[in-house]
Amino acid sequence: GESVGLHLPTLSVQEGDNSIINCAYSNSASDYFIWYKQESGKGPQFIIDIRSNMDKRQGQRVTVLLNKTVKHLSLQIAATQPGDSAVYFCAEADQTGANNLFFGTGTRLTVIP
Amino acid sequence: DTEVTQTPKHLVMGMTNKKSLKCEQHMGHRAMYWYKQKAKKPPELMFVYSYEKLSINESVPSRFSPECPNSSLLNLHLHALQPEDSALYLCASSRKWGENEKLFFGSGTQLSVL
Repeated sequence: GESVGLHLPTLSVQEGDNSIINCAYSNSASDYFIWYKQESGKGPQFIIDIRSNMDKRQGQRVTVLLNKTVKHLSLQIAATQPGDSAVYFCAEADQTGANNLFFGTGTRLTVIP
Repeated sequence: DTEVTQTPKHLVMGMTNKKSLKCEQHMGHRAMYWYKQKAKKPPELMFVYSYEKLSINESVPSRFSPECPNSSLLNLHLHALQPEDSALYLCASSRKWGENEKLFFGSGTQLSVL
């Protein structure tokens, strides 16, 4: 199966700073990527998605960047807040046409007040 | 209603017990999923239902038996589980399967097998 991995398992940032969470993927044929946020005791919550025909997509305080050349995905969170503390997963959709998501290892983001 | 509701939130069972996990959504989604998540690990796909039919079984042991009674409900029947099956079981839904659709997850059932 595909390999979706994250560069850093943990990330600590000061409140108000910007956060960048990185993700590498190995299947060059993948064309759909999602970032999920998972807080303790909860299920993954959709943050933002991007298709391979785009290289950037913005949401509220979040931006996803896709670099297909190096198979790299990043999530940028602007003005990080304590409520952003969670585990962040990137997920890659299976390219067989099915909507089978493969999740990366996850990065734990801790926001320091 | 944009929620996926799972019950129970917590479940403790012995290896000889039979129990069921339940999942419900009222978003009109026609694809529903079961994922298993071990502590500090990413979710792993178990089953996919599309239009109430089982479409994907990711080589899950038969002690896990999924059921989709209708388009809003998804069950996971458990029997003769092992301690290593202890995990967070997540249900998810999407508008349809076979397209790049985002999944909506429930909060999960934390299962402990003694």
